[in-house]
Amino acid sequence: AQKITQTQPGMFVQEKEAVTLDCTYDTSDQSYGLFWYKQPSSGEMIFLIYQGSYDEQNATEGRYSLNFQKARKSANLVISASQLGDSAMYFCAMRERTISGGYNKLIFGAGTRLAVHP
Amino acid sequence: DVKVTQSSRYLVKRTGEKVFLECVQDMDHENMFWYRQDPGLGLRLIYFSYDVKMKEKGDIPEGYSVSREKKERFSLILESASTNQTSMYLCASKEQATGELFFGEGSRLTVL
Repeated sequence: AQKITQTQPGMFVQEKEAVTLDCTYDTSDQSYGLFWYKQPSSGEMIFLIYQGSYDEQNATEGRYSLNFQKARKSANLVISASQLGDSAMYFCAMRERTISGGYNKLIFGAGTRLAVHP
Repeated sequence: DVKVTQSSRYLVKRTGEKVFLECVQDMDHENMFWYRQDPGLGLRLIYFSYDVKMKEKGDIPEGYSVSREKKERFSLILESASTNQTSMYLCASKEQATGELFFGEGSRLTVL
């Protein structure tokens, strides 16, 4: 079963506008963490933002904010004032326990490709 | 500056060849991971290691093995490469306090 679902394979946004990238997740754990990573065409994975399941406030990092709706199991990324350099692949990820129960691993969604137009 | 280094950016191998992908981190992290990335599938976990000589299977371990003889080095091994293992391979190490993964630049493997 899909644990992390990103329903938007691709998104377009005009420069300087805001855009929301969707992410829903599935877990039975009470304690978990949600991450967003950016992957430009160069291939490196860049950490953007983190939200813990017990955090009451939505996480923010500069132009990035995470719209965390726990009851709906969604953790959407909001990018405000889009820039051309925001064009990239974006991955949502969740920290979950391994089968052995002792350790944490990150599982990723399929990603959303964002294109920012001038 | 934290760093995860993967030994090869691009490799081309033939079916049946043995392939080693090496990864080194300089952050003294205990946890290291190997993912493969394919279009439309995102990143899928192959194996990870939580300590020297300790490893655990990820979601798609078939056809792969790993080695962690030293804390800073985590190797992915394809004993007999097949064409369906053509992919981008990403190594990562994890900061224990935050859970954040730090990634290498990736190794793009083509198996002919």
